[in-house]
Amino acid sequence: DAGVIQSPRHEVTEMGQEVTLRCKPISGHNSLFWYRQTMMRGLELLIYFNNNVPIDDSGMPEDRFSAKMPNASFSTLKIQPSEPRDSAVYFCASSLWGNQPQHFGDGTRLSIL
Amino acid sequence: GDSVTQMEGPVTLSEEAFLTINCTYTATGYPSLFWYVQYPGEGLQLLLKATKADDKGSNKGFEATYRKETTSFHLEKGSVQVSDSAVYFCALIRPTGNQFYFGTGTSLTVIP
Repeated sequence: DAGVIQSPRHEVTEMGQEVTLRCKPISGHNSLFWYRQTMMRGLELLIYFNNNVPIDDSGMPEDRFSAKMPNASFSTLKIQPSEPRDSAVYFCASSLWGNQPQHFGDGTRLSIL
Repeated sequence: GDSVTQMEGPVTLSEEAFLTINCTYTATGYPSLFWYVQYPGEGLQLLLKATKADDKGSNKGFEATYRKETTSFHLEKGSVQVSDSAVYFCALIRPTGNQFYFGTGTSLTVIP
């Protein structure tokens, strides 16, 4: 079975540009999570969805960040405008609702110059 | 609130040494407990889990026992290999919840 698929794997762009990260969860999973990982702050939960509805976005750092899940098989995380401090690895994870293990994608390594 | 505390790293061991990575948790009720492993350049992978007190999770030679009395879930392996070099994360989730609480991760390097 295919796991969580994220694209792109790497993104390098200049500050001020819009960045869009994409995620395809595992088929049948109804919960989706976006995380950010940095050396300084470790793994941070940004937002999560259940049945395509955002449940908790308290981890989104500021209004420059937005996330959508238009259907059960696709989600995006957008940063506009991007800043150098947004440089990090962004992970998407999916799971079944409830106390079930999360399955992570391989991440998008984002560098903002 | 719910939280997980892991031992500070990095940890460096020689091949075939015994590994222990400590993990303690704070949570209401009876959470499920997990260990995840992250290899360089990859996402987190589920290593093992335990869902109730005294359960032992095991996988790939790693073990962890859910200790309610000490609120701990320490990861152990009897003989580490170079291929075990990775970052290990302890995590919990409430039985009625959907959000994971991850520890800060412990980096392990195994030298030949």
